[in-house]
Amino acid sequence: GAVVSQHPSWVICKSGTSVKIECRSLDFQATTMFWYRQFPKQSLMLMATSNEGSKATYEQGVEKDKFLINHASLTLSTLTVTSAHPEDSSFYICSARLGSGRDPEQYFGPGTRLTVT
Amino acid sequence: GQQLNQSPQSMFIQEGEDVSMNCTSSSIFNTWLWYKQDPGEGPVLLIALYKAGELTSNGRLTAQFGITRKDSFLNISASIPSDVGIYFCAGGGGSQGNLIFGKGTKLSVKP
Repeated sequence: GAVVSQHPSWVICKSGTSVKIECRSLDFQATTMFWYRQFPKQSLMLMATSNEGSKATYEQGVEKDKFLINHASLTLSTLTVTSAHPEDSSFYICSARLGSGRDPEQYFGPGTRLTVT
Repeated sequence: GQQLNQSPQSMFIQEGEDVSMNCTSSSIFNTWLWYKQDPGEGPVLLIALYKAGELTSNGRLTAQFGITRKDSFLNISASIPSDVGIYFCAGGGGSQGNLIFGKGTKLSVKP
């Protein structure tokens, strides 16, 4: 149980275009999902917290107009990187929180490798 | 903000050896979690700890939640080649259930 999928697993796009990444909880409902980015040989950096039916909460330094997050259902959150630039190239990972209380167990998707040329 | 200090940064061990890594913080956490990440993959949850002093095992893995709630360790016994990867600790307890991650411990196992 507690399986999270991401699509696509990798994407290459041209500078200036937008890219949408999907995160799905396959066998449970997640009221809260998280989006992280990870640069090579570094730890996970939380970008934003996505709550179903409400606006996402962005971490300091993350541009909300550039990284659009939509959490329209209890099993799906999407991250759209708008007007992507080469510096946005990174490994983007989502996670979904199991349970609605203070239980902080997060289950991660397999990640999406974004390369902007 | 809250930060976790994870050590060691990397380890090179022989197959069959035991491994120990730990995380410390100046802040108190309500939960500690340990994840393993393989290259190009998302982290996989190994062990979750919820009570100060709790000692939990998962196969060859054992983790403990420090009594002060400011630290945790992970032990791997009798390491095997598939233990290779990056291990992250994470402290939890934020209002939205967010986690604070350590910088990771890269484990290499020589057959």
